[in-house]
Amino acid sequence: AQSVTQLGSHVSVSEGALVLLRCNYSSSVPPYLFWYVQYPNQGLQLLLKYTSAATLVKGINGFEAEFKKSETSFHLTKPSAHMSDAAEYFCAVIAGGYQKVTFGTGTKLQVIP
Amino acid sequence: EAQVTQNPRYLITVTGKKLTVTCSQNMNHEYMSWYRQDPGLGLRQIYYSMNVEATDKGDVPEGYKVSRKEKRNFPLILESPSPNQTSLYFCASRQSQGSGELFFGEGSRLTVL
Repeated sequence: AQSVTQLGSHVSVSEGALVLLRCNYSSSVPPYLFWYVQYPNQGLQLLLKYTSAATLVKGINGFEAEFKKSETSFHLTKPSAHMSDAAEYFCAVIAGGYQKVTFGTGTKLQVIP
Repeated sequence: EAQVTQNPRYLITVTGKKLTVTCSQNMNHEYMSWYRQDPGLGLRQIYYSMNVEATDKGDVPEGYKVSRKEKRNFPLILESPSPNQTSLYFCASRQSQGSGELFFGEGSRLTVL
C-alpha cells in the first residue's frame, strides 16, 4: 500500500521568504513522487517529479524538491516566495503497477506582502 | 493544444436525477481517471481506466459508474445523485506505463440539493 502525508494544511510566508512544504510518503517499493499545484478555479498542473534519477529535482517557477529515502520525504522548497505562488499544493505518489496515484490532502500556501 | 475537457463545469441538480459528466482527452492517452476533491480530504480516486473497455474501482466508487467505449472519452455517471456527492470533480489522463504525469481537466463543480 502507498500513502502520502502532507504536514500543514495551511502555510503562510512573507513575500521573499523561503517556502517549505512538507511531504512524507509510505511505499513498499521504490516510488515515483510528484508535486502538483492548483491555482484558484483551475485543475492541477505538474510542478516537478522524481523518477529515480537525480534526488534533487528542479521544477517550474523556481521550485525544487529533494528525495530522501532515509527520511521517506519529498519536501518542496523555493528560496524566495512570490505573490503568484499563492495556491494549493499537492504531493502524490505512484508505486508498483502504475495504476494508482495517491494524493496528499494538500497544503494551501498564502504569501503575505 | 493538448487538453482534457470536462463538461459541464458547473451543475446544480436535485437528489435522484441522473446526470453524466463528460471527459474527453486529445493526447491519445491510455489511462484515464476520475477524482473528487473535498476540503481537507485532498483528491480521492473514484474510478480509473487503463484502456478501452478496461475500468476499475478507485478508493470511493460508491454511487458512481463509468464507461470507456472510446479511447478519448471517459464519462462519469451518477445514476441517483445524493447530497454527499456534492463536490469538485476532476478528470485526468496520462500514458499508461512509466512515470508519466497526470493531465487534468479544469474541474466540474457539482451541487446536489
